[in-house]
Amino acid sequence: DSGVTQTPKHLITATGQRVTLRCSPRSGDLSVYWYQQSLDQGLQFLIQYYNGEERAKGNILERFSAQQFPDLHSELNLSSLELGDSALYFCASSALHGGTSVGETQYFGPGTRLLVL
Amino acid sequence: QQQVKQSPQSLIVQKGGISIINCAYENTAFDYFPWYQQFPGKGPALLIAIRPDVSEKKEGRFTISFNKSAKQFSLHIMDSQPGDSATYFCARVHGNNRLAFGKGNQVVVIP
Repeated sequence: DSGVTQTPKHLITATGQRVTLRCSPRSGDLSVYWYQQSLDQGLQFLIQYYNGEERAKGNILERFSAQQFPDLHSELNLSSLELGDSALYFCASSALHGGTSVGETQYFGPGTRLLVL
Repeated sequence: QQQVKQSPQSLIVQKGGISIINCAYENTAFDYFPWYQQFPGKGPALLIAIRPDVSEKKEGRFTISFNKSAKQFSLHIMDSQPGDSATYFCARVHGNNRLAFGKGNQVVVIP
């Protein structure tokens, strides 16, 4: 168990809908990262937050957004969903200095499997 | 975005054998090269990592070797066990500690 929790575990929804994925980082970790895993694209970095502030953006669509709250949990919002958004979404966290340090271990949650029908 | 390229895509190894996965990268200006292990239905977990100023790192049955001139690093799993059957991802670290993963290699260890 990595100490990172994600809810829900599974999500089935329809095209055009909006969903929210939730992540609680390991106790004390200030950095949260979101990744998407699909068969064709592999594991791709979406976005990073550090202590409530956005730090880095990757291949995140404009229909997607995220935030990190004062209690450090994070939410990833996916809107106007398309079939191609079906994927596993992982949240990871790293320790206190994750905003500036390179090489800190990222601890991944169990993921949320999203199916868009 | 620069990629890391893994080979082979999948690997079947006899129990007790050596699994070798290679990863090529394009740019040397990175500080950290981790390997992640992922079991079905689970999130990736850090297995072992190396910095480019080190040519080899060993942790138990897992060894990373780094070849800077060839821009390649490899994961060796010695005495492979059925419990090692998983997907292995090499990665490189961008600024802000974000990871760029390779496509992954599925390793199947048969008894």
